Parts: sequence; structure tokens; C-alpha cells
Amino acid sequence: DIQMTQSPSSVSASVGDRVTITCRASQGIDRWLAWYQQKPGKAPKLLIYDASTLQSGVPSRFSGSGSGTDFTLTISSLQPEDFATYYCQQANSFLIFTFGPGTKVDIK
Amino acid sequence: QLQLQESGPGLVRPSETLSLTCTVSGGSISSTSHYWGWIRQPPGKGLEWIGSIYYGGSTHYNPSLKSRVTISVDTSKNQFSLKLSSVTAADTAVHYCARYNIWGSFDYWGQGILVTVSS
Repeated sequence: DIQMTQSPSSVSASVGDRVTITCRASQGIDRWLAWYQQKPGKAPKLLIYDASTLQSGVPSRFSGSGSGTDFTLTISSLQPEDFATYYCQQANSFLIFTFGPGTKVDIK
Repeated sequence: QLQLQESGPGLVRPSETLSLTCTVSGGSISSTSHYWGWIRQPPGKGLEWIGSIYYGGSTHYNPSLKSRVTISVDTSKNQFSLKLSSVTAADTAVHYCARYNIWGSFDYWGQGILVTVSS
């Protein structure tokens, strides 16, 4: 099974900061990676798929990069509505999916 | 606008079977470009994929849950369902139904339903 790790597990940041979250797969997954944002009491929201493609309606301050085993999600200028938990998810086989443990972004 | 809505009991006794249904509206569950899945999230914890189904009935399950999970589809009702047998307190979680696309990402989600396993 493919395992996913994320770092850091939490980050404290201020509005306007640049925030980068890393996701690593235990084996190569090409670009089969998605990123989600989840706010308390809400369902996750798809931000990025295919490692770097922005989902429709998602602000351009979010960007994704990487391929193989190492991926990053970057928020270029953190906004108040961006304080949330972020998850990566691999879909390498398209049949078995795994989520990362999550990274909580909170207010510094 | 596609919408998904989970329904089912919020409380299940230990050793019994958890049963949930996801009703899809604003689109067809018989889409050839999408699969449908269940994901759960224990309180305060991360997301765990449970399994997925295609409208034709083919299924794929999380290996860690495979022996206890059955997912089925009813295209006439535009619904798909989850059954998880022999539940324990560790199965207490918010359960989400979702659609995923050809990139393997979940683009539409239900609001989630909390199922508590307790006597």
C-alpha cells in the first residue's frame, strides 16, 4: 500500500504570509495527487488535482507542484479564510486511495 | 449543480451493521466519467477512504476494511449505499459520500453524517 506523509503537521502563520506544505508518497505516484482544504464541521473541498491543476473557482494564490514522490502546496499570500486543515490524497492506481494525515494552518 | 446527501441511522450498536445511503441530485450516477465513493473521518482525526463503486457495479475497497464493507448502487434511484458489518467504537466517524473524476480526485462531497457506535 502507498503511504502518505505530510509536513509540517501544523503551522502558525499570519495573514499575508507565504505557506508551503509538503506531501510525500512512499512510492512514486507520477502526478496522481490532489489537495483538499477542510474547515471545522465541513466536508473537504478540492483545491488541486493532477498535482498542479487548480480546481475551478479556487483562488490563484493556491498552487501545487511535484511529481513522483514529493509534492508541495503553496499559499502565496495567506488570507483569513485560508485557516483550515489541508490534506493530500494519492490516486496512483485509481482504485485504491490514501489521504495524508493533514496539516493544520492556524493563526499566529 | 451536483449535490450529494448522506442518510441513515446516527447510532449503531456494537457488532451490528452500519448502513448509509447517498442520494445524488443534479446529475446522473450513471455518468461514464465518474466513480462514487465513501470516506470517513473519526472525530478529531484524518480522512480514510472506505471504498468506491462505478455505476455498472464494479467496486474497490480499502484493504483494511474489505472484509466488512459492501458498497452497492441503485441507478434507478440515483443512489449508492454503504454497509459496514461488525462495527465497534473505532468505527465511530463522520461518513462522507463523494464523486471522483478521471484524475482520481474527489470533486463533489456530501455534507457528511456522524455515525456513533455505542450500546
